[in-house]
Amino acid sequence: EAGVAQSPRYKIIEKRQSVAFWCNPISGHATLYWYQQILGQGPKLLIQFQNNGVVDDSQLPKDRFSAERLKGVDSTLKIQPAKLEDSAVYLCASSLLWGGNTGELFFGEGSRLTVL
Amino acid sequence: GEDVEQSLFLSVREGDSSVINCTYTDSSSTYLYWYKQEPGAGLQLLTYIFSNMDMKQDQRLTVLLNKKDKHLSLRIADTQTGDSAIYFCAESLSGGGADGLTFGKGTHLIIQP
Repeated sequence: EAGVAQSPRYKIIEKRQSVAFWCNPISGHATLYWYQQILGQGPKLLIQFQNNGVVDDSQLPKDRFSAERLKGVDSTLKIQPAKLEDSAVYLCASSLLWGGNTGELFFGEGSRLTVL
Repeated sequence: GEDVEQSLFLSVREGDSSVINCTYTDSSSTYLYWYKQEPGAGLQLLTYIFSNMDMKQDQRLTVLLNKKDKHLSLRIADTQTGDSAIYFCAESLSGGGADGLTFGKGTHLIIQP
């Protein structure tokens, strides 16, 4: 079974530029999450989708971050304009609608963003 | 609000047991998890425990939950060099993928030969 796919793996941009990250979840997983992991910290939830609807985006900085999951499958996360403090690894995760018995989230390898 | 605390580093000798501790603040947490992150990789679920359990054992892993003190621990028996990673404690109010997890900052497990 293919895992969660993310691209690009690495991105270096200058502040005020824009960037987009793409995620393809595990087939059949209705729930998709974007997490931000700043160096030395644990992942912080940015946004959660169920199918193509947003469940929780309370911690998404909406003045510069946006995310969509138009067809309920893959998703994109965009940052425009980027700030220095956006340097982080952006992790995508997916799960079954109710996570089965474990509530397990399956994570991709992440997209590492460096803002100069 | 939700908050999960962990110590940042743990150093153990190869072959010894490792005990990684975590405290959480939300007594409504129903599911508690341990995830492992190796360098350059995403997080991988190691084990989990429901709030109505006190202990769970899975091969070399033992999870202990003290609900009164809101304390969770992960014991790794016979620690090997392959166990070197960052271990994250995480909590969920509803589990089952219905809400996102809240993670601690992670504990770096360092294995000494």
